[in-house]
Amino acid sequence: DTAVSQTPKYLVTQMGNDKSIKCEQNLGHDTMYWYKQDSKKFLKIMFSYNNKELIINETVPNRFSPKSPDKAHLNLHINSLELGDSAVYFCASSPPLGGGEKLFFGSGTQLSVL
Amino acid sequence: AQSVTQLGSHVSVSEGALVLLRCNYSSSVPPYLFWYVQYPNQGLQLLLKYTSAATLVKGINGFEAEFKKSETSFHLTKPSAHMSDAAEYFCAVRGFSGGYQKVTFGTGTKLQVIP
Repeated sequence: DTAVSQTPKYLVTQMGNDKSIKCEQNLGHDTMYWYKQDSKKFLKIMFSYNNKELIINETVPNRFSPKSPDKAHLNLHINSLELGDSAVYFCASSPPLGGGEKLFFGSGTQLSVL
Repeated sequence: AQSVTQLGSHVSVSEGALVLLRCNYSSSVPPYLFWYVQYPNQGLQLLLKYTSAATLVKGINGFEAEFKKSETSFHLTKPSAHMSDAAEYFCAVRGFSGGYQKVTFGTGTKLQVIP
C-alpha cells in the first residue's frame, strides 16, 4: 500500500484554468504538507496542516488554496494558473514530534501550464 | 531561522570511488539534520538523520554522515559508489513555526556515477 499518494501524477493545462491536486496518507499522521519543486530542483514548503488546521503558510499567492477535509487528506486547489506555477508539487506527511522527525513524501504531481 | 547550504549542484564520481556530498548548516539551536535522496520521477526518501545522539550517523544503502559542530557541517559519504546511487541528494534542517515542525531543504546535489 502506498503510504502517501497523490493524484494526478501529470497535469497539463492552459493559463487561466483552475485545477486541483489530491493527496491522501494512510500512515495515521496528523501533519501534512505541500512542497513545490521548481525546474532547478529547489524544494520549498508551501503549506502545512495539523489535524485539519492550517499551521504553516509560506507567503504563497492566494490563488493557491489548500483544503483538508480530514487529517488523512490534504488537497491543493490552484486558481487562474500562471506559467510560473509549472513545477512538481509534492505532498508529505510526518508523525508527531518525537515520533521520528521523518517526512514521508508522495511521488509528486508534475504540473505544466501552457 | 535554520538553513542549510549544499556546496556543488553537480558531483560526478566513478563507480567504486568515494562519494562526498557537502552540506553546511546554520542554526541558533542544536539542529536536527537530514539527508534525503530523490530518484528520477519519485518523491524524496530519508537516507539518514542526526538528532543530537551519535555524531556519526549511518543510513541506508551504505551512506553515512558526520555531524561536526565546529565546522557546522553534515557531509554525506559513501566509500564506494554504485551506479544505482545516481540521484539528487538533499540536505535538510528542522526548524519550528508556531511550535510545529518545519523542514527546510538545501538546493540539492545531483550525483552522477560514471561506469
